[in-house]
Amino acid sequence: DTEVTQTPKHLVMGMTNKKSLKCEQHMGHRAMYWYKQKAKKPPELMFVYSYEKLSINESVPSRFSPECPNSSLLNLHLHALQPEDSALYLCASRHVMTGRRYNGYTFGSGTRLTVV
Amino acid sequence: ELKVEQNPLFLSMQEGKNYTIYCNYSTTSDRLYWYRQDPGKSLESLFVLLSNGAVKQEGRLMASLDTKARLSTLHITAAVHDLSATYFCAVDSMGVPMRFGAGTRLTVKP
Repeated sequence: DTEVTQTPKHLVMGMTNKKSLKCEQHMGHRAMYWYKQKAKKPPELMFVYSYEKLSINESVPSRFSPECPNSSLLNLHLHALQPEDSALYLCASRHVMTGRRYNGYTFGSGTRLTVV
Repeated sequence: ELKVEQNPLFLSMQEGKNYTIYCNYSTTSDRLYWYRQDPGKSLESLFVLLSNGAVKQEGRLMASLDTKARLSTLHITAAVHDLSATYFCAVDSMGVPMRFGAGTRLTVKP
């Protein structure tokens, strides 16, 4: 299995809703990432997990809450979002060690989030 | 702070022509990545460049890395319409997560 699977692919939520995005990989990657991408902009880093521990939080508002329950799964819990949070949310993973056979990051297909 | 600059931001090419996209980065880095993104889609990995002088080619695309100049190039040979997309370079290093350039929106016209 060489994929990162993200669900759902599309999500519409109200500003008072609570929802979660899910990301799963079975490649043995121990580094996992959440990126946010607004239209016509590059992806922006949100969170980094290394060996299931949060290692980087790029000053993301607390209405976004990441969770890494195990080495294969990464969640992003959403609560009280604003319309400006509407974006494509991308999950990525990679091997922590970068030896000769390092292949870089594998990105999921993304979740298109619309906050109404 | 790691900064990645990409140019041009917009590129309109005729089919059959050659062109180069440039990617400069601000600090010593171990790894340079090129991605392609089609509208509404996720990122597709094109190249991973890991050492000075690295050159990789896939079809009409060739990427190179000069770590001393902190410069990578993506060269497009004899462009075809199917290459129309947005191309991102990105850089990371030990302990420094991957950051992206602004992207180059490429349009190939007949």
